[in-house]
Amino acid sequence: AQSVAQPEDQVNVAEGNPLTVKCTYSVSGNPYLFWYVQYPNRGLQFLLKYITGDNLVKGSYGFEAEFNKSQTSFHLKKPSALVSDSALYFCAVRDRAGGYQKVTFGTGTKLQVIP
Amino acid sequence: DAGVIQSPRHEVTEMGQEVTLRCKPISGHDYLFWYRQTMMRGLELLIYFNNNVPIDDSGMPEDRFSAKMPNASFSTLKIQPSEPRDSAVYFCASSFRPDRGESLYEQYFGPGTRLTVT
Repeated sequence: AQSVAQPEDQVNVAEGNPLTVKCTYSVSGNPYLFWYVQYPNRGLQFLLKYITGDNLVKGSYGFEAEFNKSQTSFHLKKPSALVSDSALYFCAVRDRAGGYQKVTFGTGTKLQVIP
Repeated sequence: DAGVIQSPRHEVTEMGQEVTLRCKPISGHDYLFWYRQTMMRGLELLIYFNNNVPIDDSGMPEDRFSAKMPNASFSTLKIQPSEPRDSAVYFCASSFRPDRGESLYEQYFGPGTRLTVT
């Protein structure tokens, strides 16, 4: 079974400050990991992914995430938050093993960037 | 590319009525997913297709729900009869397998259909 946890329902950060949105995962094998963002009344939009290789992955809009196998984490980060980053962020995981295509999404973390 | 297209964007119906939601995936994508999003349950996978064939429908809540994909460019999710607890935002997403042996990567979501059953 695979699962993903986003321990914070909401994260508040001042504009210009660094932000972190936390994600931990559980899979029986090795993971594929994803971050998506959802703006109000919109569908989810892909931000970045970890498939293999470098543990630090860079994505859209200046976001990056670090894969940490020992801590089973994939936290989303940005050096300097913008008000326009305010949205709902979802972490997702898929087990590489077995060819099964189902992706499990977390419950989402609301990011509020305060001007 | 226009992205994943869903229709209608909003649907309001009365309990007991049939509801049909429609999705056009991105051209060339061979995976199609239907999700439901609610405040209480978050984002739930209902069913997904590969090359128009349903692969996993274990998330379909009950027999009132059915989904079809008659061709590579069209899918429907039908609820009959609808109930107030079906009120949610329903998303369609598509994806592709870059190469044989490669695994599924990111999904591309449509704008969603907001369903309200009164």
